[in-house]
Amino acid sequence: EVQLVESGGGLVKPGGSLRLSCAASGFSFNSYNMNWVRQAPGKGLEWVSFITYSRSYIYYADSVKGRFTISRDNAKNSLYLQMDSLRAEDTAVYYCASSDSTNLVDNWGQGVLVTVSS
Amino acid sequence: DIQMTQSPSTLSASVGDRVTITCRASQRISSWLAWYQQKPGKAPKLLISKASTLESGVPSRFSGSGSGTDFTLTISSLQPDDFATYYCQQYNTYWTFGQGTKVEIK
Repeated sequence: EVQLVESGGGLVKPGGSLRLSCAASGFSFNSYNMNWVRQAPGKGLEWVSFITYSRSYIYYADSVKGRFTISRDNAKNSLYLQMDSLRAEDTAVYYCASSDSTNLVDNWGQGVLVTVSS
Repeated sequence: DIQMTQSPSTLSASVGDRVTITCRASQRISSWLAWYQQKPGKAPKLLISKASTLESGVPSRFSGSGSGTDFTLTISSLQPDDFATYYCQQYNTYWTFGQGTKVEIK
């Protein structure tokens, strides 16, 4: 069974940092591109970042560029999102999602809540 | 960046109604367009890819059309399980989602 399980969320103060993890199982993680998508409470979906299977290409949404860093460890079947200089507007459920060679989504995680508040 | 404009933002309909949601891309994306259904507290569920390809297990009352910049999701006969929020997404260049359409009970 394909599984993507996010962890590392929680409450953090503005200006603080948090590192999200996404543990993958049930598929060839090292063959899939990976994404982070977030959803603020009561709002729509917002793509955050993308990394290719080989780490050759990395992209970020303008809203997080320079503050967030995506990475992956194919040996550990894991995806990460390092979030620095957090702001209240970064409060959201963060989903990891795999995508195929056409960049179509393949699977989603269940999401992890990040709350930025003093 | 590619912007996706989805309408309407809210739609009130009854069981059995035919429902249409539209999505417009700010530049041509060929057919690299997906539609999702999302229910509260859940991850989005992929309904349609490549603008018109129905995903396995998705009821045939769902259909998609369009190419280039203009796309449509149609539910031919709304069922109780279909009351949810729907999103379009372009995957031509990274990802961009539409603002969402909440389908409510009339």
